[in-house]
Amino acid sequence: DQQVKQNSPSLSVQEGRISILNCDYTNSMFDYFLWYKKYPAEGPTFLISISSIKDKNEDGRFTVFLNKSAKHLSLHIVPSQPGDSAVYFCAASSKGGATNKLIFGTGTLLAVQP
Amino acid sequence: KAGVTQTPRYLIKTRGQQVTLSCSPISGHRSVSWYQQTPGQGLQFLFEYFSETQRNKGNFPGRFSGRQFSNSRSEMNVSTLELGDSALYLCASSSDRGGTGELFFGEGSRLTVL
Repeated sequence: DQQVKQNSPSLSVQEGRISILNCDYTNSMFDYFLWYKKYPAEGPTFLISISSIKDKNEDGRFTVFLNKSAKHLSLHIVPSQPGDSAVYFCAASSKGGATNKLIFGTGTLLAVQP
Repeated sequence: KAGVTQTPRYLIKTRGQQVTLSCSPISGHRSVSWYQQTPGQGLQFLFEYFSETQRNKGNFPGRFSGRQFSNSRSEMNVSTLELGDSALYLCASSSDRGGTGELFFGEGSRLTVL
């Protein structure tokens, strides 16, 4: 049972345009959401997060939007750069427990074309 | 500050053998988590250790085990290897007691089972 879903395995975007990566979740107990970026032969690196008490969080070119009623979040990258080409993982956790357990989606491969 | 270090980076085993992977967390981090990454499955949580105690465990068979030492270094062991255990095994450390999910990942140990 995939509690966190990224339905687009890949996305191709032109440099300078907006990249929108989507993520859906099924477990209403999730209250903290994160995006990680992964380059080949490297471990994932934390990108941005959002608590369920917010609906938007920005950090430079990256913005995460959360729609709790739809159980949907999205990551916007504006403007997209070739260096953004990587696999992006959406992840969720329940802060109620004293644990760092994250539930990850299957990832979306973003290719930013120069 | 040194990052999360995993050894070995690559290894090849045959079915039925056992393997031990090692992880040294970032200095001062007491939480260590292990994840398995396979194509199409994303990252799946194996277990988490905090101060030498297993705090949470994922849905993996008992062949997968781990431990944490007093210096926070962690090892995971897989016994009676199966072909399906071929994967990238990622270790992550965190300074949080739990919940915020900002994990720092190592580069992973890529296991191939023949």
